[in-house]
Amino acid sequence: DQQVKQNSPSLSVQEGRISILNCDYTNSMFDYFLWYKKYPAEGPTFLISISSIKDKNEDGRFTVFLNKSAKHLSLHIVPSQPGDSAVYFCAASAIRGGFKTIFGAGTRLFVKA
Amino acid sequence: EPEVTQTPSHQVTQMGQEVILRCVPISNHLYFYWYRQILGQKVEFLVSFYNNEISEKSEIFDDQFSVERPDGSNFTLKIRSTKLEDSAMYFCASSVSQGMNYGYTFGSGTRLTVV
Repeated sequence: DQQVKQNSPSLSVQEGRISILNCDYTNSMFDYFLWYKKYPAEGPTFLISISSIKDKNEDGRFTVFLNKSAKHLSLHIVPSQPGDSAVYFCAASAIRGGFKTIFGAGTRLFVKA
Repeated sequence: EPEVTQTPSHQVTQMGQEVILRCVPISNHLYFYWYRQILGQKVEFLVSFYNNEISEKSEIFDDQFSVERPDGSNFTLKIRSTKLEDSAMYFCASSVSQGMNYGYTFGSGTRLTVV
């Protein structure tokens, strides 16, 4: 099941700079897209979501951009902080797909001090 | 901050044995889920549960798996006859609504090791 793809397994960024995490999807029926953050030995934590009818959603340092024509979304973190170092999962759900969310494989972000 | 609580945090079991993984979702949440993550792999959907019945399940969730909400607070995942490939981190999650504005709240997971 490769409906949600995160092609970069890892990303390294200097503290204070922008982190850009990318995600592609194949199913045009997805209604919502979400980003989760995961630390070791913890469950994923919801970060931010965007409806398929929008192209941008912002929450503090986190902004998600959606390009429906390209079936692509990205998460921008500005400025990046060492505490942002974690695995970031892109996820998507379709209302008609029942109550489930499909996750990507994750991107490990390293923010260097 | 309300939490989803999972017990035990670690479980080691012999192949072929039954295991029950337990979860206490957030009290006012209505939708419940189980996901798993095999070491180094993606977080995979297993099953969703609403109104005391399964809403959706994946191909992974075969006849060896079952879920139950026995008493209105606990939400359990049972694996009847464990296999080596069932070794994974199992995450329970809950949400107040089907809408995706606020995502799911996940527990910290149960690490299941089948030997």
